[in-house]
Amino acid sequence: ETGVTQSPTHLIKTRGQQVTLRCSSQSGHNTVSWYQQALGQGPQFIFQYYREEENGRGNFPPRFSGLQFPNYSSELNVNALELDDSALYLCASSLWGTSSSYEQYFGPGTRLTVT
Amino acid sequence: AQKVTQAQTEISVVEKEDVTLDCVYETRDTTYYLFWYKQPPSGELVFLIRRNSFDEQNEISGRYSWNFQKSTSSFNFTITASQVVDSAVYFCALSEPSTGTASKLTFGTGTRLQVTL
Repeated sequence: ETGVTQSPTHLIKTRGQQVTLRCSSQSGHNTVSWYQQALGQGPQFIFQYYREEENGRGNFPPRFSGLQFPNYSSELNVNALELDDSALYLCASSLWGTSSSYEQYFGPGTRLTVT
Repeated sequence: AQKVTQAQTEISVVEKEDVTLDCVYETRDTTYYLFWYKQPPSGELVFLIRRNSFDEQNEISGRYSWNFQKSTSSFNFTITASQVVDSAVYFCALSEPSTGTASKLTFGTGTRLQVTL
């Protein structure tokens, strides 16, 4: 196991609602990234947080937002949920500033279903 | 723009067979990183290997080996003497430091490996 935890494991929401997903990074890691994985697809990069600031974003609309806390844990918020938001949301942590900066360790994911 | 192609959608083998998973990438950068991840049915992505663009040396780790060839932009993964526990979806991924986002991984669509007895 990587030491990256995510909650909740599963979630069912209705279109138009808002959702918050949580991630605790591996001990000692300072960077958190979020990915969306639709069924049968590879993960797609949403954004990355470093030192509590967004540091890079993929092709996702502003209704996808996030936070990183001083303890490096993170939240992903999605507003105005759409049916296409149904996916596995993966959180990954890494230690930026070292030779292993590019090695990311993933959590088990949160399965979001929007009905 | 960066792109990763895994042309094999699904592969089925019998236990103890060798199997190679193909990965072809596209990038304009001279410095980049390539990865392989395993995703078992539980959903968690398991890190297998990282290779930087300046290191073309092939690597072996137990039954796993990786063949990196810059001339063909390929980073193939071979499992020797496959086992049922190897059954999973395998993803190849690319990271480009020049994007300014160290941990942005571009993934391929994955190859589902099914190993049967």
